[in-house]
Amino acid sequence: DIQMTQSPSTLSASVGDRVTITCRASQSISNWLAWYQQKPGKAPKVLIYDASSLESGVPSRFSGSGSGTEFTLTISSLQPDDFATYYCQQYNSYWTFGQGTKVEIK
Amino acid sequence: EVQLVQSGAEVKKPGESLRISCKGSGYSFSSYWISWVRQMPGKGLEWMGRIDPSESYTTYSPSFQGHVTISADKSIRTAYLQWSSLKASDTALYYCARHRGSSSQFCFDPWGQGTLVTVSS
Repeated sequence: DIQMTQSPSTLSASVGDRVTITCRASQSISNWLAWYQQKPGKAPKVLIYDASSLESGVPSRFSGSGSGTEFTLTISSLQPDDFATYYCQQYNSYWTFGQGTKVEIK
Repeated sequence: EVQLVQSGAEVKKPGESLRISCKGSGYSFSSYWISWVRQMPGKGLEWMGRIDPSESYTTYSPSFQGHVTISADKSIRTAYLQWSSLKASDTALYYCARHRGSSSQFCFDPWGQGTLVTVSS
């Protein structure tokens, strides 16, 4: 099984900050990685797919990069609507999620 | 609009059986796999298994194999997740999610709204 390790688990930041979340795969997954945003009481929503492709309708302040085993999600200027939990997901071999990163207000 | 609508919240006792549903609309139901994802209270997302509705072929996570059954009825555009004997540890929010395509290398979009299952004596 492919394990996905996200860091940090919790991140405290202010509006306007640049935020980076990292996801590491236990083996190479090429670029088969997605990032999701989940708000309390809501279903996850895809932000980035294929490691770096921005989902239609998602603000351009979100970006993804990486390939192989190391991936990052960057929010260039954190907005109030961005306080949420973020998950990475690999879909190279079956499907596995990272444990999540909660972005909190500092 | 592509949409998945799940059945409502359930409260059950340990040992009881349960089947929850996920109805697709706005797309060709048989053409896209559907997965089920568990989210235990305050925890992260866990992939449980998936089904190809065209053939009802299933694949399960080893963590859930033998504990749940995934099925689908393409005539009514509905996928199901069922338990034969619930445990308190099955208390969780369960999501269905459509794969972007009909092979393994696609992410999930869209997701259903979630079904809360509570198992308590």
